[in-house]
Amino acid sequence: GENVEQHPSTLSVQEGDSAVIKCTYSDSASNYFPWYKQELGKGPQLIIDIRSNVGEKKDQRIAVTLNKTAKHFSLHITETQPEDSAVYFCAASPYSGGGADGLTFGKGTHLIIQP
Amino acid sequence: GAGVSQSPSNKVTEKGKDVELRCDPISGHTALYWYRQSLGQGLEFLIYFQGNSAPDKSGLPSDRFSAERTGGSVSTLTIQRTQQEDSAVYLCASRQEDTQYFGPGTRLTVL
Repeated sequence: GENVEQHPSTLSVQEGDSAVIKCTYSDSASNYFPWYKQELGKGPQLIIDIRSNVGEKKDQRIAVTLNKTAKHFSLHITETQPEDSAVYFCAASPYSGGGADGLTFGKGTHLIIQP
Repeated sequence: GAGVSQSPSNKVTEKGKDVELRCDPISGHTALYWYRQSLGQGLEFLIYFQGNSAPDKSGLPSDRFSAERTGGSVSTLTIQRTQQEDSAVYLCASRQEDTQYFGPGTRLTVL
């Protein structure tokens, strides 16, 4: 089955700087890669996703890049703000939305924005 | 509109007792997922429901775990004879198109 590795486990950056979180996956059949943000006491919330037919996707301060050959994808947050502090999870699936097998998640990155 | 709701938000139980966790998906969402989130870990997929179809139970951790979905809406996850290793946050998600919307989870503590 799919295995997703995520690094780093903790990332501390100064407010206004950029943050990058990286994930690798094992199943070459995976073609859907969402990123979720989880705040304390809440469920994960989708912030951006990418499919294998594109290499990069942007949404305001957030961007995701995908390298299918190397089987890795990354989340980039620019101009970080205090409200970006949270745990971020990457995930992968052969099916858009997760299909019947659900999403395979990384172990998460605790992003800390230092004022 | 209303999101996915789960109850209870917290559950403390003694080892060996049975527990039932409830999920109310977003109205109209036919796909529903259960995940388990252990401390410091990612989410582990447990089971998937599509409408009223019988689910594939192969992702459940043991035969002490069962789940059902009544009328294609509300779902319950039941854990029998709870063990300490069952302690985790249990998350439910319903899906519309490609997006899974998660509830706040039920934190289960087995003493």
